[in-house]
Amino acid sequence: QKEVEQNSGPLSVPEGAIASLNCTYSDRGSQSFFWYRQYSGKSPELIMSIYSNGDKEDGRFTAQLNKASQYVSLLIRDSQPSDSATYLCAVNARSNSGYALNFGKGTSLLVTP
Amino acid sequence: DTGVSQNPRHKITKRGQNVTFRCDPISEHNRLYWYRQTLGQGPEFLTYFQNEAQLEKSRLLSDRFSAERPKGSFSTLEIQRTEQGDSAMYLCASSSGQGLYGYTFGSGTRLTVV
Repeated sequence: QKEVEQNSGPLSVPEGAIASLNCTYSDRGSQSFFWYRQYSGKSPELIMSIYSNGDKEDGRFTAQLNKASQYVSLLIRDSQPSDSATYLCAVNARSNSGYALNFGKGTSLLVTP
Repeated sequence: DTGVSQNPRHKITKRGQNVTFRCDPISEHNRLYWYRQTLGQGPEFLTYFQNEAQLEKSRLLSDRFSAERPKGSFSTLEIQRTEQGDSAMYLCASSSGQGLYGYTFGSGTRLTVV
């Protein structure tokens, strides 16, 4: 079983602060790593992807990958109440016939005004 | 292209009835995936297709579940003899290639079995 682990939270941060979300994975052969945002009752929306070690920045979002430690993180700078959602870490792990996206349980983020 | 489309959005059914869901992927995507998500959990992989071929099925997909993708376009997911434990959000996603650049999800079908 390819595992993707996340702290379920809730993680509460004040508006304007940095939110830090973490994820670990078990399959060392994984090549692609994603963060999805999911609002209550809605479907997951892709917000970040990262494929190599280091940082990748896109606006207020920074994804960090450390393959040696099997660790992925997402930083949200200048957090806004509209960022309140569940953040799903997803890892493209090897399966019997290729690759399949495995998800963690998600971390619930609450940004308070 | 309007993205991945799923129908119906909501389905309430009595235990023991059969239900069928439809997914229309992004037209240029050759891979189509079905996931199930229950409250407080992440999406769980059920099965996926490359064009019309069903390449993998999860152990979660009991023999009451069947999925098809005739002609490699839309897909259907059928659940026979529904049980209350089948209540969940059923998500469809599509991707190009092997999906190494991420999947695009549809809005999902929420199934409630009463």
